[in-house]
Amino acid sequence: RKEVEQDPGPFNVPEGATVAFNCTYSNSASQSFFWYRQDCRKEPKLLMSVYSSGNEDGRFTAQLNRASQYISLLIRDSKLSDSATYLCVASSTGGFKTIFGAGTRLFVKA
Amino acid sequence: DAGITQSPRYKITETGRQVTLMCHQTWSHSYMFWYRQDLGHGLRLIYYSAAADITDKGEVPDGYVVSRSKTENFPLTLESATRSQTSVYFCASSESRVNYGYTFGSGTRLTVV
Repeated sequence: RKEVEQDPGPFNVPEGATVAFNCTYSNSASQSFFWYRQDCRKEPKLLMSVYSSGNEDGRFTAQLNRASQYISLLIRDSKLSDSATYLCVASSTGGFKTIFGAGTRLFVKA
Repeated sequence: DAGITQSPRYKITETGRQVTLMCHQTWSHSYMFWYRQDLGHGLRLIYYSAAADITDKGEVPDGYVVSRSKTENFPLTLESATRSQTSVYFCASSESRVNYGYTFGSGTRLTVV
C-alpha cells in the first residue's frame, strides 16, 4: 500500500464546475499536509497548505480529516487554466519524511 | 536571477557513464532535496541536505552520490548510469526544518541509453 494514495483520474469537468479530490495517507505521524499543482512537463508548485481547521484560497478549499487520515481539495468555478495534475503531500515531524502522492489529473473543458 | 536552477535541462547518456546534475539556489535556504519522478511512482526522495556538509539518504539513494560543500549548490551524481535511472530529476529547497513546502527547480530530463 502506498503511503499517500490518490485517484489518478483523469477528472474531466466543464468550465464552471466544482470538482473535489481526495487523498489518503497511512502514516499517522504525518503532521504537515500540502497540495501541489504540476503542469505538464513542469515542476510541482505549492498550491496550498492544509490545516485541520480547513483553509481557503480563492476558489480553492483544502480540508484535513486526521481521524480518517484523508485530505481533500475542492475547486469551485473551474477554469481552463486549472487543468493540471494535483499532488497530495504528507510530511512527518521535521519535514524530511515527505511523501508525495502520484497525482490526480484534471482536465477542464470549455 | 534569484531562485533555484537546475542544469542541464535535458541529458542523454550511455549506460555506465558518470553524470552529474547541478542544482543552485540563491535564497540561502538551508534545506535542499533531490527527487526523481517516474510514471506511477510520483516523486521519490533520493537524498536531502540540512546544511553545507550535511547530507542524508532518502527513499531511493542507491546508485547516487551527493555533496554540498556550499550552501547554494547541491549536485547529484550518478556514478555509473543505468537504464532504470532514466527519469525526471527535481531539485528543491526549503528555508525551514518545519515543512512549509518546497520550491522546486525546473527539472532535468535524463535518458540513459
